[in-house]
Amino acid sequence: AQSVTQLGSHVSVSEGALVLLRCNYSSSVPPYLFWYVQYPNQGLQLLLKYTSAATLVKGINGFEAEFKKSETSFHLTKPSAHMSDAAEYFCAVTTSGNTGKLIFGQGTTLQVKP
Amino acid sequence: EPEVTQTPSHQVTQMGQEVILRCVPISNHLYFYWYRQILGQKVEFLVSFYNNEISEKSEIFDDQFSVERPDGSNFTLKIRSTKLEDSAMYFCASRGTGGNTEAFFGQGTRLTVV
Repeated sequence: AQSVTQLGSHVSVSEGALVLLRCNYSSSVPPYLFWYVQYPNQGLQLLLKYTSAATLVKGINGFEAEFKKSETSFHLTKPSAHMSDAAEYFCAVTTSGNTGKLIFGQGTTLQVKP
Repeated sequence: EPEVTQTPSHQVTQMGQEVILRCVPISNHLYFYWYRQILGQKVEFLVSFYNNEISEKSEIFDDQFSVERPDGSNFTLKIRSTKLEDSAMYFCASRGTGGNTEAFFGQGTRLTVV
């Protein structure tokens, strides 16, 4: 069975500061990993995905994530936060062997202070 | 850009009533999903649907729930007799073929059971 743990339900950074949102996964088979963002009253939008190619993945809006198998981690980073980055971020895992269902983490709310 | 469309955006219903949530997935996608998000909690998998049948369902998806793809374009979730605890945001998602393809989510339907 797969699972995802996001450390920190709420992260607050200043505008221009580094954003680091943590995600650790558990999977008995090679995982596919995703980060989704949810703006208020909107659906889930894909930020980036890891699918066993390059371990450093670049996504939209300047975000990137690095897959580290030894640490079972897929942390999301952005060098410089913008006010518009304020949202809820979800890490999710699936594997090629199942129906493609996503197992989500608990979510991290990112607050960006001016 | 193709998108997943859900209607209605918000539905209020009385306890015990039946509701049908509607989704139009992306046209060339073959895998369809329903997820729900209770306020303040993580996104949870309900059911996956492929080749006109349920391919996987969670323990949440009991006999009160059903899904249907009635006409080749719509994908519906029916809750037969709603309970207060069914109040949540329901997301439809669709995915193309290939284990590494991402799911595209709709904007969600907020269901409020009173």
